[in-house]
Amino acid sequence: QQQVKQSPQSLIVQKGGISIINCAYENTAFDYFPWYQQFPGKGPALLIAIRPDVSEKKEGRFTISFNKSAKQFSLHIMDSQPGDSATYFCAAHRSFSGNTPLVFGKGTRLSVIA
Amino acid sequence: ETGVTQTPRHLVMGMTNKKSLKCEQHLGHNAMYWYKQSAKKPLELMFVYSLEERVENNSVPSRFSPECPNSSHLFLHLHTLQPEDSALYLCASSQSEPGSGANVLTFGAGSRLTVL
Repeated sequence: QQQVKQSPQSLIVQKGGISIINCAYENTAFDYFPWYQQFPGKGPALLIAIRPDVSEKKEGRFTISFNKSAKQFSLHIMDSQPGDSATYFCAAHRSFSGNTPLVFGKGTRLSVIA
Repeated sequence: ETGVTQTPRHLVMGMTNKKSLKCEQHLGHNAMYWYKQSAKKPLELMFVYSLEERVENNSVPSRFSPECPNSSHLFLHLHTLQPEDSALYLCASSQSEPGSGANVLTFGAGSRLTVL
């Protein structure tokens, strides 16, 4: 119930292509779904987040698509660039539960090749 | 200094050594966390402190001992570690966003630990 399942584990995309990472959850009490981006030698950093009252959120080249009935959400990176090469983590949280920890997926290592 | 600062960035220790990892947050957050990051378990929560009290301990072996003396500082004391404890140890802080309740974590860059 507390798990967030993330796929694929690794992804190689050509420069200019679309990168897609998928996550699924079980706990319907989750109502906040962030994505974190981690570059080598750095800690993860918040990239973009969504709440289940909308089906899509876009920030620049990054879009989250959310399917509440399927309990799935995905990150789309349009026009992928070599600088997007990083590890991406999806997460889920019950907001207003205070500082209870986020539940993280296992991460996807993205490599964008020229 | 801004954000979350971790020291040392790299640490090599023998199995009988005692060492400590330090984390300092300059964000005014009221919760701090230790995560272990390894190839097998990419983001494994170890400890959570909220308002300087430990609220979660995820079955972490006693050879790891956290300390939170105030809301800005967090330590992880290490004693008689095993080679399998070699990993990146990440500190994070958070404060629930007013109005939304979202828990936004800010991570440090991590301390890379190697146990020989």
